[in-house]
Amino acid sequence: NTKITQSPRYLILGRANKSLECEQHLGHNAMYWYKQSAEKPPELMFLYNLKQLIRNETVPSRFIPECPDSSKLLLHISAVDPEDSAVYFCASSPTVNTGQLYFGEGSKLTVL
Amino acid sequence: GQQVQQSPASLVLQEGENAELQCNFSSTATQLQWFYQSPGGSLVSLLSNPSGTKHTGRLTSTTVTKERRSSLHISSSQTTDSGTYLCAIAVNTGNYKYVFGAGTRLKVIA
Repeated sequence: NTKITQSPRYLILGRANKSLECEQHLGHNAMYWYKQSAEKPPELMFLYNLKQLIRNETVPSRFIPECPDSSKLLLHISAVDPEDSAVYFCASSPTVNTGQLYFGEGSKLTVL
Repeated sequence: GQQVQQSPASLVLQEGENAELQCNFSSTATQLQWFYQSPGGSLVSLLSNPSGTKHTGRLTSTTVTKERRSSLHISSSQTTDSGTYLCAIAVNTGNYKYVFGAGTRLKVIA
């Protein structure tokens, strides 16, 4: 799937700051960040619709999303914790709550 | 409570056998989607089926909206079908959200 690209694909951190990037080439209006911990299903972290944050799950404040334009999504992480080790998926859909959900390839974060 | 429940949790098949995966949900779903995830891989959309029956290749999904259940039938299973199958629904309770089930881990052996 090259229609939703994420970078970096792999990330190993101590207690550092880092940003994950996502870009979708599908013309979708809704973009999402999901966190998938080992052996668990994806859990929604943030949802943007037309660049507006409309759902902010209860996630630690060290995770800060940003949507610079309707096709791009960033996730800034500061002072990561070992519990943050997971795969972070970007996803998009044509509109909020309708149409199929498409996923990027994920960014695997390992916290030392 | 858990909004999406999938069964069985795991399944082992001989190549060529058929599989029937179930998804039950507790909220009214405006969207329902089946995904496939290989170990360490991303989620690939298989079928979007909020109601009725849909086919693609060896896959058939049947969703009975009023009974809040969906099934995914895989015919003539192949070893490459091994992986996790996830059911996700979109619910609108004032805040829009796609909710995932825990998945069914399928292993197909030759």
